[in-house]
Amino acid sequence: EPEVTQTPSHQVTQMGQEVILRCVPISNHLYFYWYRQILGQKVEFLVSFYNNEISEKSEIFDDQFSVERPDGSNFTLKIRSTKLEDSAMYFCASSEIPTSGNTIYFGEGSWLTVV
Amino acid sequence: AQSVTQLDSQVPVFEEAPVELRCNYSSSVSVYLFWYVQYPNQGLQLLLKYLSGSTLVKGINGFEAEFNKSQTSFHLRKPSVHISDTAEYFCAVSVGGYQKVTFGTGTKLQVIP
Repeated sequence: EPEVTQTPSHQVTQMGQEVILRCVPISNHLYFYWYRQILGQKVEFLVSFYNNEISEKSEIFDDQFSVERPDGSNFTLKIRSTKLEDSAMYFCASSEIPTSGNTIYFGEGSWLTVV
Repeated sequence: AQSVTQLDSQVPVFEEAPVELRCNYSSSVSVYLFWYVQYPNQGLQLLLKYLSGSTLVKGINGFEAEFNKSQTSFHLRKPSVHISDTAEYFCAVSVGGYQKVTFGTGTKLQVIP
């Protein structure tokens, strides 16, 4: 079964550093997402991306965050000047078409630890 | 705005016993409902989803859920659990016309041998 892949699986970074989390969505999918899960808390929506632009973002997704689809396969989340509270599991996800109820497939996540 | 409430943060159950994980949602419009499972140190995997039609939805690994519009619930059930079902289960909702999925706080199912 096709899957969403994410790299790195775990990254430790110093506070203030920039981090790029990478994702390869399922190949025929057009809609991409980032979610995060702070340890012990629920999974939170960050941003959705369609047709090379952000279609929706949450209040968490401030100027510190950006997303990009630099080529035909990768989808990245950049966090500028990381803070301790950015430590979380970041999930990339994709879905085939922007139709409500269409299944969203999640990757296995990237653990980010900010020290 | 839509929201999801999972009433139990942890549910211990003996192996081969039945289990029900509760989920209630709130939305002023029609919704799509999902259950995801997260095994230890793994990502989120779709168990089942309700879009329309039959209110009883069957998913993978012997799980099923029933959509109850009057009670705004989408409880997950399994008649006989296995050790391998030990995981965290997330109920989620998306609202018609939008792709964003809103998750509940999760229920940790612990199956006791």
